[in-house]
Amino acid sequence: KQEVTQIPAALSVPEGENLVLNCSFTDSAIYNLQWFRQDPGKGLTSLLLIQSSQREQTSGRLNASLDKSSGRSTLYIAASQPGDSATYLCAVYSGNTPLVFGKGTRLSVIA
Amino acid sequence: DGGITQSPKYLFRKEGQNVTLSCEQNLNHDAMYWYRQDPGQGLRLIYYSQIVNDFQKGDIAEGYSVSREKKESFPLTVTSAQKNPTAFYLCATRAQPGETQYFGPGTRLLVL
Repeated sequence: KQEVTQIPAALSVPEGENLVLNCSFTDSAIYNLQWFRQDPGKGLTSLLLIQSSQREQTSGRLNASLDKSSGRSTLYIAASQPGDSATYLCAVYSGNTPLVFGKGTRLSVIA
Repeated sequence: DGGITQSPKYLFRKEGQNVTLSCEQNLNHDAMYWYRQDPGQGLRLIYYSQIVNDFQKGDIAEGYSVSREKKESFPLTVTSAQKNPTAFYLCATRAQPGETQYFGPGTRLLVL
């Protein structure tokens, strides 16, 4: 059974710092991986989707990488801002099954 | 969200009462999902439906029921058999397998 782990559970950084969030999965036979953002009391917002054939995807200050063979993905946030404070979740799709989510990393960017 | 509506935003349940959470979408997506979110536990899948008139149990279906009579609607009923219903409930949709999944704004259920 696919399991997704996100470490650390929480992270606090000063404004302007570049940071990396980690996601690992146990079964490398995935079709794609998706990163989401969740603000307190809100639904999830999709940030990036990486297909299994891709190595990375970029959107603005966000860059997500995927190493399927090692079961790892990272979300890189450049020049962090207080508005980036949220919980970030990754989820993997393995085909014919619903997404499997990690528990998320709660990010605080301090001004 | 943006095309996925969940209502109400807050819902209060009395002991022994069944309550229904609404999820409506205008994205013309085939698949719809219900998740439960508790602090420190992440998202847990309750039920999902990949086509009208068909649905499957997720990891924590006990005490819940669903229907999918229309493509745009996937209501979730929390029955009296669910002994710990207090949580944040999220509805999601997806057009095709492997495509981006979109979430609604959520409903917070509280027990009186």
